[in-house]
Formats: sequence, structure tokens, C-alpha cells
Amino acid sequence: EVQLLESGGGLVRPGGSLRLSCAASGFSFSTYALTWVRQAPGKGLEWVSSILGSGDSAFYADSVKGRFTISRDNSKNTLYLQMNSLRAEDTAVYFCAKELGYDDAFDIWGQGTMVTVSS
Amino acid sequence: AIQMTQSPSSLSASVGDRVTITCRASQGIRNDLGWYQQKPGKAPKLLIYAASSLQSGVPSRFSGSGSGTDFTLTISSLQPEDFATYYCLHDYNYPFTFGPGTKVDIK
Repeated sequence: EVQLLESGGGLVRPGGSLRLSCAASGFSFSTYALTWVRQAPGKGLEWVSSILGSGDSAFYADSVKGRFTISRDNSKNTLYLQMNSLRAEDTAVYFCAKELGYDDAFDIWGQGTMVTVSS
Repeated sequence: AIQMTQSPSSLSASVGDRVTITCRASQGIRNDLGWYQQKPGKAPKLLIYAASSLQSGVPSRFSGSGSGTDFTLTISSLQPEDFATYYCLHDYNYPFTFGPGTKVDIK
């Protein structure tokens, strides 16, 4: 079964750091681009960052550029999101998602992990 | 960055109704658009990719159309399990952008 499982969420103070992980199974991990999407409480979806299958190229939303770093370890089938200089507005559920492959749409999603930035 | 708008922001409908949601891009995105369904507390689910291609396992009452800047998602006969929030997402270039969402609830 194709599956994504996020972990690493929690409560962090403003200015702090957190690293999210997304463990993948059931597909050829290095073949697919992967993405982080977030959703603030009661709000819509926001694309955060994507990384290509090789890990050579990464892309970021302006709202997180310079503070967040996406990476992947293809030997461990795991995607990461390093989040630094966290702000209250980064409070959200963070989902990882896999691209279809023959299209950039996201066909497989994790269940999400909650990040709360508060003092 | 490309901006996405959706209309309406919410709608009330009855089981069996035909429902249409529109999404507009601030510039042409060819057919690089997907539609997602999200229920409370759940991850989004892909319904339509490439503007009009039905994702595997998705009921045929869902359909998508459009290209360039204007797109539509149609539910031909609304079912009880279709009450949810629907989002469009352009994947034409980075940064990708979601529309603000359309909440479909029971009339």
C-alpha cells in the first residue's frame, strides 16, 4: 500500500525550530517529487515547498523562503521540512504529498502533523 | 506568483443537485490544474488532474473542464458523501497556488 506518514509536529516558541519528517512506503521513492502543504486552523490549503525526486531542486512559497528547508533522504524513503525562525502564522497542520508522476497533481497525502507556534 | 480565485466561496445544495464550482487563474496555465476534495479533519483527496482527467477511483459524477484561465468542477448529481470543501490548485509552475476553497453544504 502506498503510504505517507508525517511526524515531528508539536508546540514550539516563536523564533524556535522544528523538523518534520514524512516516511514513505509502497512506491519507488526517488522517482517522485514530494511536497509540503499546510493548513492553518479554520483556513484553506497553502502550498509550502516541493522537492524533485533527485533532491537537486527545491522550491518554496514566499511566506517560508529563507526560513524553511525541504530535503529528502532517498536511502531512507523520508522527506523532511526543517523549519527555523518560526512565527505564530506558521501554526498549521502540515501535510506531505506525492505527485502523480505523469502529472504534478498530488495523488497520495499523509494524515498531517500539527505545528503550534506559541509562547 | 499566479493567483487563483474560486466561486462561489460556499453553496448550499440538495442531494441530486447538479453543482458547478469555478476557478480562475490570474494568467494562463494551459490545463495545469487539479481539483481536490477535503472533509473536516482529513487530508485532501485528488479528484481531477490536468483540468479534465478523472483520478482513478473517483466517481464519474465528478468532471472538470477548462483551459487557460477559466476552469470548472461539476458534480452531476450530488451525493451525501460529497458535502465537503473543494479546492483548485495550479501546478503550472512554482510556486503552486491553491484557490481559497468552496464549501458545499446541505440545503
